[in-house]
Amino acid sequence: DVKVTQSSRYLVKRTGEKVFLECVQDMDHENMFWYRQDPGLGLRLIYFSYDVKMKEKGDIPEGYSVSREKKERFSLILESASTNQTSMYLCASSRAGLGNEQFFGPGTRLTVL
Amino acid sequence: GQNIDQPTEMTATEGAIVQINCTYQTSGFNGLFWYQQHAGEAPTFLSYNVLDGLEEKGRFSSFLSRSKGYSYLLLKELQMKDSASYLCAVPRGGGSQGNLIFGKGTKLSVKP
Repeated sequence: DVKVTQSSRYLVKRTGEKVFLECVQDMDHENMFWYRQDPGLGLRLIYFSYDVKMKEKGDIPEGYSVSREKKERFSLILESASTNQTSMYLCASSRAGLGNEQFFGPGTRLTVL
Repeated sequence: GQNIDQPTEMTATEGAIVQINCTYQTSGFNGLFWYQQHAGEAPTFLSYNVLDGLEEKGRFSSFLSRSKGYSYLLLKELQMKDSASYLCAVPRGGGSQGNLIFGKGTKLSVKP
């Protein structure tokens, strides 16, 4: 079974803190993704990586950065957390190419106070 | 640009059949995905259609019409556990990398 794990299920941080969200997949997938999901807005892509050290901005990259130093690990960094970054963060991975579904991690519910 | 439309909410009765529609506009087309997401959980893959027609997978079927930019998910013999959100997704820009754009999802409530 494909497994995508995220470092925390719930996280509470203060405004201005630096926040690291970690994602690890165990199926040697080329692609990894970070999304946030908010009521009424659906899943929105923050960043996408198709290879080690490669990244592309998604729809809402502002206030976020990412790191992919190893194929299995994709980190999302909030340089200075703000209250409007309170959200559910979902990581996903997939094989490159057509028709390959994305496998999602369990999500991290981040609250910024 | 790209756009995906789905109804926001639907209600159906246990044992019945429900059809969840999805319309999309995309430059290029490389298939359409359906995902299921239970409340508080991650989305899980249901189906992928790249050719026109109906594909059946147990109680769930998915239909695609590329000329109409339209798909639907058909759920038969509804069970209470089918209460979830159903997300439609297409490859971003019609690309082949695996980067998807998701609809906002249809929240299905199954009543006894």
